[in-house]
Amino acid sequence: DAKTTQPTSMDCAEGRAANLPCNHSTISGNEYVYWYRQIHSQGPQYIIHGLKNNETNEMASLIITEDRKSSTLILPHATLRDTAVYYCIVRVVQGAQKLVFGQGTRLTINP
Amino acid sequence: GAVVSQHPSRVICKSGTSVKIECRSLDFQATTMFWYRQFPKKSLMLMATSNEGSKATYEQGVEKDKFLINHASLTLSTLTVTSAHPEDSSFYICSARVWGLAGGGGYNEQFFGPGTRLTVL
Repeated sequence: DAKTTQPTSMDCAEGRAANLPCNHSTISGNEYVYWYRQIHSQGPQYIIHGLKNNETNEMASLIITEDRKSSTLILPHATLRDTAVYYCIVRVVQGAQKLVFGQGTRLTINP
Repeated sequence: GAVVSQHPSRVICKSGTSVKIECRSLDFQATTMFWYRQFPKKSLMLMATSNEGSKATYEQGVEKDKFLINHASLTLSTLTVTSAHPEDSSFYICSARVWGLAGGGGYNEQFFGPGTRLTVL
């Protein structure tokens, strides 16, 4: 699976949009971009995934660059409960693919 | 989304004892489950892939005789930490794979349990 690079930590004010970048310059054509988050002492939670088109769901939006070498997860109106470690992972969809977690971005939402 | 549970959520044991952790898929069947370990302030590290009805596949460096995995049914996988020592103290997390066809496309997702915190004294 392709390797991802994320900033170690970020801060965001409550109510503002949180934009979390991820670089995946070695991504292959059949690899998707997945985002998970882990709130302290809990299991990871799926957020969103995409291949090349931008995606939006009730939790977040995912913006993937045209060359697919980077992406941005957007939490449109961050709340204190969004404080967590956010993981960007690239993987193929077929088969029993294991998820390889990097260090992620520790996002802190400040009141 | 699909729900995965783990039991117990927290366990404290003496050094040398064995501890069993259960991972259950509550509203779906999972032919594949995964076991992860996470040390404080570190990322999740995959330990093994558990396949129903067959032997687990362990990641490099993970002792299969120490971390026994059994996936006896489509809704239950167990991880047994044998002869636990203080260095085995960690947060153990399982996930279950859901896959299939829907709406003309395929999906292949993992849903995670809440984790089990093991402390070995």
